[in-house]
Amino acid sequence: EAGVAQSPRYKIIEKRQSVAFWCNPISGHATLYWYQQILGQGPKLLIQFQNNGVVDDSQLPKDRFSAERLKGVDSTLKIQPAKLEDSAVYLCASSSGGANQPQHFGDGTRLSIL
Amino acid sequence: QKEVEQDPGPLSVPEGAIVSLNCTYSNSAFQYFMWYRQYSRKGPELLMYTYSSGNKEDGRFTAQVDKSSKYISLFIRDSQPSDSATYLCAMYNNNDMRFGAGTRLTVKP
Repeated sequence: EAGVAQSPRYKIIEKRQSVAFWCNPISGHATLYWYQQILGQGPKLLIQFQNNGVVDDSQLPKDRFSAERLKGVDSTLKIQPAKLEDSAVYLCASSSGGANQPQHFGDGTRLSIL
Repeated sequence: QKEVEQDPGPLSVPEGAIVSLNCTYSNSAFQYFMWYRQYSRKGPELLMYTYSSGNKEDGRFTAQVDKSSKYISLFIRDSQPSDSATYLCAMYNNNDMRFGAGTRLTVKP
C-alpha cells in the first residue's frame, strides 16, 4: 500500500512571498489532515477534511493560510503572505474515515522563511 | 498547563535496555491513545493504537494506559540502535487530536 505522498520536500522562500504544498493521501482514505510541526514540538492540527468538506479549521490562520480538497482526493495548502514564524514542517496525514481510525503521515514539507 | 505533557528528553540508553516513555494529559474526554515514532526528516509512523485503560503488546513494544491517572506509557524491551528516534504520544476524541512534544531517544551500541 502506497503511503501519503507530499511535495515538495523542501521549500525556501522570503517573507511575504506565497507558497503551496501538495498532498496525495492513501488510496481510499476519506479523511485528510494538515499539520504544522515547529522544531521541537508535536504536530498541531491546521485543518481536517472529510472527503471534500472541511470538518475542522479552527486552528488555521485564515488571514494567510488556505486549503482545499476539491475532488476529495488530493489537497493543497497555501500560505500567502508567509511570515518568519511559519517556518516549520507541514505534514499531511490521512485515515480511512471511521470516527476513530488512526492517522498515517507523509514525510512532510520543510519550509524555511528567510 | 498544556493538554498533553511529555518530557522532551533527550534520553540515552545502552543497547538492550528497557526504555520507558511517558505522557500525562489533562482532558479526561480523550479515549484513544497512540504512540508515533518519528525519525529525523521523516513523518510520524504509527507504533501503537489503544483504546481504554490497560496494556497492549506488539513485539518489543508495550503501550499502557491509565485513564484514572491520565497517564500513558510506552515500554521498549531489548532496545536497539534502530529505535533511536523521537517518540510522540497522541490522544484523540471526537475530531480533537493532540500530540505531546516528543521524547528524543538515543540507543547506543
